[in-house]
Amino acid sequence: DGGITQSPKYLFRKEGQNVTLSCEQNLNHDAMYWYRQDPGQGLRLIYYSQIVNDFQKGDIAEGYSVSREKKESFPLTVTSAQKNPTAFYLCASSISRARGYTFGSGTRLTVV
Amino acid sequence: QKEVEQNSGPLSVPEGAIASLNCTYSDRGSQSFFWYRQYSGKSPELIMSIYSNGDKEDGRFTAQLNKASQYVSLLIRDSQPSDSATYLCAVNYYAYSGAGSYQLTFGKGTKLSVIP
Repeated sequence: DGGITQSPKYLFRKEGQNVTLSCEQNLNHDAMYWYRQDPGQGLRLIYYSQIVNDFQKGDIAEGYSVSREKKESFPLTVTSAQKNPTAFYLCASSISRARGYTFGSGTRLTVV
Repeated sequence: QKEVEQNSGPLSVPEGAIASLNCTYSDRGSQSFFWYRQYSGKSPELIMSIYSNGDKEDGRFTAQLNKASQYVSLLIRDSQPSDSATYLCAVNYYAYSGAGSYQLTFGKGTKLSVIP
């Protein structure tokens, strides 16, 4: 079955540590996105990529980095520069603007 | 800044009633509109899309769009306890940064509770 796989489901980060969230899709979608969701804040765009080897900052990119070396993969690194990383992270992809986005199941990141 | 506004709720309706969820948006150039359902602790799931003025029906769900008023709504008929979730309105707009792309802007969601 086609879909988006995010891993891990839960992740714990120590202060000053970088962590990487995985996002893989087998939908053959060109565009991929990373969102952060905090309680009462809705979805906020971190980074997006329209094609391989190209990506753009979203509204809250500071403290995050991404890569897009393959069409299927769009990993997100939460760096130590992100001071408040505890949140629910969602990866999404789309084949066209008319179709909306398909979301992965999310990764819940907690700072310990 | 593109904005999508929703009442946060909670909106409580009795089982079997019609639930009405509303959304307004700021970008007159937007062409595509979506409703997502998100259960607590889960990721959003696309339930409706609408592109033209008027109504679009899919089972118990009806999406309504009025571009002149910049307003989109979702009606849920015969509401069931399983419909209890947060409903996110999303609007597509064109971002001119970089190579340019269409992106979705999401509202903060309306929490719906269907009371048995």
